[in-house]
Amino acid sequence: QSVLTQPPSASGTPGQRVTISCSGSSSNIGSNIVNWYQQLPGTAPKLLIYSNNQRPSGVPDRFSGSKSGTSASLAISGLQSEDETDYYCAAWDDSLNGRVFGGGTKLTVL
Amino acid sequence: QVQLQQSGPGLVKPSQTLSLTCAISGDSVSSNSAAWNWIRQSPSRGLEWLGRTYYRSKWYNDYAVSVKSRITINPDTSKNQFSLQLNSVTPEDTAVYYCARDRIVAVGAYYYYYMDVWGKGTTVTVSS
Repeated sequence: QSVLTQPPSASGTPGQRVTISCSGSSSNIGSNIVNWYQQLPGTAPKLLIYSNNQRPSGVPDRFSGSKSGTSASLAISGLQSEDETDYYCAAWDDSLNGRVFGGGTKLTVL
Repeated sequence: QVQLQQSGPGLVKPSQTLSLTCAISGDSVSSNSAAWNWIRQSPSRGLEWLGRTYYRSKWYNDYAVSVKSRITINPDTSKNQFSLQLNSVTPEDTAVYYCARDRIVAVGAYYYYYMDVWGKGTTVTVSS
């Protein structure tokens, strides 16, 4: 069972906006930054959002992140077929003194 | 451009030691603004952070509680790489193992880390 809670699945149609939630606690999301990763099948996770809402260079502005209290969200607008893959949130946990991940959300583009 | 090249055996026998290496190019294992992580991923456990090493005038390590009694992460400054050793492995340790770099970001008066560059992963199977 993952420390951060994500819905196991999400879906949307091309062009639509979808959001993926990530719920934690005061010791992780509540007191640290949240990062989001995209993982294509058979490849390593790729950084999508860091420091709650910052995009690394090369990541399209269709991807955005936000954080409020002990929860965070990843939003994908203008959904494309290539966005169909797995997404993970991550944060440092002060109580565990370690990094924790969400269980991942599989996004389906209908 | 930072790249991480992983190496190590893909098959380890139960009770033996899993050893992997991550060679760094484009950055330094001794950097004062980075940390060097090991993470693993399996269908049953998902993504699991194992630990990291970093240099801030001296070497530090952070380890996950779940593996703290069995893990060692060591830097090798002469080869600009770092390694993972996981002792007394069982089939539960079967997973894809990744190394990754932590970068520092300043948010107000605080500093935080995020993993920005990952190795390609090494599939490790624990079986006799």
